[in-house]
Amino acid sequence: LAKTTQPISMDSYEGQEVNITCSHNNIATNDYITWYQQFPSQGPRFIIQGYKTKVTNEVASLFIPADRKSSTLSLPRVSLSDTAVYYCLVGDTNSNSGYALNFGKGTSLLVTP
Amino acid sequence: GAVVSQHPSWVICKSGTSVKIECRSLDFQATTMFWYRQFPKQSLMLMATSNEGSKATYEQGVEKDKFLINHASLTLSTLTVTSAHPEDSSFYICSARDPGQLNQPQHFGDGTRLSIL
Repeated sequence: LAKTTQPISMDSYEGQEVNITCSHNNIATNDYITWYQQFPSQGPRFIIQGYKTKVTNEVASLFIPADRKSSTLSLPRVSLSDTAVYYCLVGDTNSNSGYALNFGKGTSLLVTP
Repeated sequence: GAVVSQHPSWVICKSGTSVKIECRSLDFQATTMFWYRQFPKQSLMLMATSNEGSKATYEQGVEKDKFLINHASLTLSTLTVTSAHPEDSSFYICSARDPGQLNQPQHFGDGTRLSIL
């Protein structure tokens, strides 16, 4: 499983755009990049997933350069409720037997007024 | 979308008792489910892989006789913490993905907070 590296913590004010970058130098050809959000005492919640270039959904965008050795999660106009831990993970999502996610330390985002 | 349900959400019990935690896939069949443990202010740590119809695969350092896993159906995996002690107090989370669809991520249950007195 590819190891990921992301900042331990980030601070932001409400209404700002937040970009969290994750490094995954050993990503394999079949690996997808998936981001999760976790609030205290809750399970991780899926945010977005991508393989290359850019992916956008209703809550975030994911930017992946051509070499796929890193990715950036972009949260537009964050609110106080976006305060959480964000995890970047890589793995082969199409593995028929499923795949275990190797969670790193994640990025603790604090949004203040 | 895929939903994973975990029950109970909170358990408090005396030292020495056994506790069973259920993980269900609500709208898909999961041949594989995963169990994680998370201590306060730490990341999730994979404990074991639950395989339907066969034995679970445990990560190094996880006692298989302590943490019994049963995956008797395609929608249910159970984790039983046997003879629980205070050091077993933690947040236990399961996950699964829908193998019938391509490029689907893992979905997680809401976790079970286990407190052993």
